[in-house]
Amino acid sequence: NAGVTQTPKFQVLKTGQSMTLQCAQDMNHEYMSWYRQDPGMGLRLIHYSVGAGITDQGEVPNGYNVSRSTTEDFPLRLLSAAPSQTSVYFCASSSQGGEQFFGPGTRLTVL
Amino acid sequence: QKEVEQDPGPLSVPEGAIVSLNCTYSNSAFQYFMWYRQYSRKGPELLMYTYSSGNKEDGRFTAQVDKSSKYISLFIRDSQPSDSATYLCAMSGVSSGSARQLTFGSGTQLTVLP
Repeated sequence: NAGVTQTPKFQVLKTGQSMTLQCAQDMNHEYMSWYRQDPGMGLRLIHYSVGAGITDQGEVPNGYNVSRSTTEDFPLRLLSAAPSQTSVYFCASSSQGGEQFFGPGTRLTVL
Repeated sequence: QKEVEQDPGPLSVPEGAIVSLNCTYSNSAFQYFMWYRQYSRKGPELLMYTYSSGNKEDGRFTAQVDKSSKYISLFIRDSQPSDSATYLCAMSGVSSGSARQLTFGSGTQLTVLP
């Protein structure tokens, strides 16, 4: 199993550009989530999904969109990137009530 | 005030020392308590998981939860240079039968010196 994979590993955007961060898991987990990690802030939940077709907002959802068309994939879209979205983004997945497995992260810089 | 407070450190100890890492929280609904270890430029990995109050031991690691004081701890015995990482506490108040939304502390950076 590859576990949780994320692409790209690094990305630099200009203010106003859009992009999609990809996340995939091969463990057949129902639950997937996106976090951002900033210095001194720990990880903060952006959006999560409890299954295909079902998503909900976390603590810091503004400026981000998600969709879940398959069990395996949970992309995170930045509609109009802002410098405040410079961060490290982690995707995680778990079975219902199980341990959350994290991906390796995407380092995003918005200029 | 943050829901979960964690001393960011950095914490530097000699090899073989006992390390104590702590978090306090304010949300009485938290029932599940976790410690994650994160190596530099890697994703967090689950180290310890505890439900409600009590102690849990796994090798050199012991997790303690005191819900009455809203205080959790992670102890590392006989610390090794390979334990050098950032340690994040995380908590959840949702039942195990449904989605789990974790609230994290800010992390404590630990260095174990050979």
